Amino acid sequence: EAGVAQSPRYKIIEKRQSVAFWCNPISGHATLYWYQQILGQGPKLLIQFQNNGVVDDSQLPKDRFSAERLKGVDSTLKIQPAKLEDSAVYLCASSSYLNGYTDTQYFGPGTRLTVL
Amino acid sequence: AQTVTQSQPEMSVQEAETVTLSCTYDTSESDYYLFWYKQPPSRQMILVIRQEAYKQQNATENRFSVNFQKAAKSFSLKISDSQLGDAAMYFCAYQYQTGANNLFFGTGTRLTVIP
Repeated sequence: EAGVAQSPRYKIIEKRQSVAFWCNPISGHATLYWYQQILGQGPKLLIQFQNNGVVDDSQLPKDRFSAERLKGVDSTLKIQPAKLEDSAVYLCASSSYLNGYTDTQYFGPGTRLTVL
Repeated sequence: AQTVTQSQPEMSVQEAETVTLSCTYDTSESDYYLFWYKQPPSRQMILVIRQEAYKQQNATENRFSVNFQKAAKSFSLKISDSQLGDAAMYFCAYQYQTGANNLFFGTGTRLTVIP
């Protein structure tokens, strides 16, 4: 079974530029998460999707971050404009969902973003 | 948000020896899940072990086992017969059983395995 795919693996941009990350979850997984992991910290949730609907985006800086999950499969996370403090690893995870319960989350390899 | 605390930023263990990583958490829920994830330098977060709070029996996965103390809100990971491939960052994480099911992570423990 293929795991969670993410691209690109690395991205370097100047501040105020825009950037987009892509995630393809494990086939059949209804729930998709984007986490931000700043160096030396544990990952923190940015946004959670259930199929193509948003479950939780309370920690997403909506003035600069946006995310979508069209057709309930792939997802993109965008930052516009980027700030220096956005330098981090962006992790995508997915899990199955059945009868109101979410199963274990499986993570992709992440995208390391450096903002100069 | 739930608080997960890992008080050991770094740990080291001799190859073939046993090491225990500590984790405490704060919650008012009675049903929840706890996890240990491993993150090698390649960055891929890998599930090590999962514990359901309603289960009294401690979870085990080969050389990995947990000591789950629900009343004390403690969830430690024991790695037996440590191998070089065990070297990584280890994150303890909490998840609500229902509702918003995102993971709340601790700050991690970096484990070094000494040959």
